[in-house]
Amino acid sequence: SQQGEEDPQALSIQEGENATMNCSYKTSINNLQWYRQNSGRGLVHLILIRSNEREKHSGRLRVTLDTSKKSSSLLITASRAADTASYFCALNDRGSTLGRLYFGRGTQLTVWP
Amino acid sequence: EAGVAQSPRYKIIEKRQSVAFWCNPISGHATLYWYQQILGQGPKLLIQFQNNGVVDDSQLPKDRFSAERLKGVDSTLKIQPAKLEDSAVYLCASSLAVNQPQHFGDGTRLSIL
Repeated sequence: SQQGEEDPQALSIQEGENATMNCSYKTSINNLQWYRQNSGRGLVHLILIRSNEREKHSGRLRVTLDTSKKSSSLLITASRAADTASYFCALNDRGSTLGRLYFGRGTQLTVWP
Repeated sequence: EAGVAQSPRYKIIEKRQSVAFWCNPISGHATLYWYQQILGQGPKLLIQFQNNGVVDDSQLPKDRFSAERLKGVDSTLKIQPAKLEDSAVYLCASSLAVNQPQHFGDGTRLSIL
């Protein structure tokens, strides 16, 4: 399968806590991307990490990639209620030259005030 | 910059009827994507355009779905005739080029009665 699998399916935390979501996959990738989707809205791109990169940061977001274990993690530090959303990892398969993305089922994050 | 615009936001039709969705991508974005997102799942690519040419329609049910991108800008996705299993959110996305982050519209929620 070319899509990733996010874990956990659902995560519920208090404001101020950190949230960690994981993505495992089976294929070889060019890059892996994380997207956020608020209820009833489209997806928003968060971070792109290439296969030769191990870690990237963007504000309160930290993404790691371990290609030997075929896994990635998204860490949101000091979570806020506004971070409540579904988070998806999307794989850009190494066999694709068209940039096609394969999305997992996502992790539903709920941050309680 | 203005985001990806989609219309309508909601559509309810009966099975065997036809329906069309419209998408206006971000100005200057050469690549346009249509995704189907079934409740509880991640988006699944239906078709990808590069300028006004189709580069990937391998997952498009061509017996009932069609899409076009006029003059390399706006795009329409049509379903005729609709089936119950077509109930989903249809998302349009665009990117500057392949392998670049994708920008999503808010989608059209289609319900088939």
